[in-house]
Amino acid sequence: RKEVEQDPGPFNVPEGATVAFNCTYSNSASQSFFWYRQDCRKEPKLLMSVYSSGNEDGRFTAQLNRASQYISLLIRDSKLSDSATYLCVEEGGADGLTFGKGTHLIIQP
Amino acid sequence: DAGVIQSPRHEVTEMGQEVTLRCKPISGHNSLFWYRQTMMRGLELLIYFNNNVPIDDSGMPEDRFSAKMPNASFSTLKIQPSEPRDSAVYFCASRGMGNTEAFFGQGTRLTVV
Repeated sequence: RKEVEQDPGPFNVPEGATVAFNCTYSNSASQSFFWYRQDCRKEPKLLMSVYSSGNEDGRFTAQLNRASQYISLLIRDSKLSDSATYLCVEEGGADGLTFGKGTHLIIQP
Repeated sequence: DAGVIQSPRHEVTEMGQEVTLRCKPISGHNSLFWYRQTMMRGLELLIYFNNNVPIDDSGMPEDRFSAKMPNASFSTLKIQPSEPRDSAVYFCASRGMGNTEAFFGQGTRLTVV
């Protein structure tokens, strides 16, 4: 079975700072990757898709490095509301969506 | 659309009892996933269906677990008999064709005592 590995954290970051975390995946044939966000006692929700060329959505930037088999998420000018668990997701065709265990982020005032 | 609907939201049952979790996917979505989430193991894929057909059930932990999708608008996950180690949050998710977003239900929090 595919493996998706993430640093569980927690990452404690002051408000306004930039924070980045990575996720590694084991299946070199995987085609699609995503970052999901999960708030405490809530369901996961899509934050952004990850494309080979990288993509940016406001303060969030996601990048894919196929050679080293990792994806990254960068959050600039972090807000208190960014505190959550960020889940890395890999899709490899018939195996469906495989989630990492998540990285816990705490933005401190 | 009301989104993915799961029931019940909470379930407390005694060890040995049968538990049935229900899911109504978003209308028009053709893939449905059942996940289990615990602190120790994170989100684990149990089984997923494509066009009502089970594609991968290798994540189903034991024969005590079974899942069905009799039609495009309904799926069940059954645990019989339940055990305390089955306590977790069970999520159902659905998605449309292509590499689109998977939408999750609010989950069923199961406690087996």
